[in-house]
Amino acid sequence: SQKIEQNSEALNIQEGKTATLTCNYTNYSPAYLQWYRQDPGRGPVFLLLIRENEKEKRKERLKVTFDTTLKQSLFHITASQPADSATYLCALDTGRRALTFGSGTRLQVQP
Amino acid sequence: GAVVSQHPSWVICKSGTSVKIECRSLDFQATTMFWYRQFPKQSLMLMATSNEGSKATYEQGVEKDKFLINHASLTLSTLTVTSAHPEDSSFYICSAREGLPGELFFGEGSRLTVL
Repeated sequence: SQKIEQNSEALNIQEGKTATLTCNYTNYSPAYLQWYRQDPGRGPVFLLLIRENEKEKRKERLKVTFDTTLKQSLFHITASQPADSATYLCALDTGRRALTFGSGTRLQVQP
Repeated sequence: GAVVSQHPSWVICKSGTSVKIECRSLDFQATTMFWYRQFPKQSLMLMATSNEGSKATYEQGVEKDKFLINHASLTLSTLTVTSAHPEDSSFYICSAREGLPGELFFGEGSRLTVL
């Protein structure tokens, strides 16, 4: 069956450290993979998109990697801040226009 | 960037009544919009794809007669929860894309509580 799994339900880290979130998928062949941030009671907000032929993408303190052999994406936030506390969702774009979302990882950055 | 607006942001209704949620793309035309549902501490589950000028495409297990979707213009899609029951209480979020590939722009979400 098709599955998208994000490594943990919750992740607690100290301010200033690098947060690393994992997204693994099975039985999908995504052309693209996207990461979103969701705050409580709000709709998700787009962060980064990475294509299947790209290994890495960066945007300010964010970095995403995409390994189609391992069927895995890693999402890094460097120099994390309390304001980065939120739920982060990975989403697969298989070309059918809608995105399929993982269950999310709730990140808590402690000051 | 593109903006998707959703209304109302929260609604409380009695069991058996119907509730309409509107989703508008404010600065782009969306021939396709997507409706997701999210239960507490769970991920977004796609309910249906709304197509301008034609019938919506529903995901497996979603009752099309209960969740009526109308996409009458290039900027407006509506979701009507008919004969709502407490188990329909959830967070409903619409979204749209300007093109492929591309990000999904999400509305603010609508919190439905059915008493």
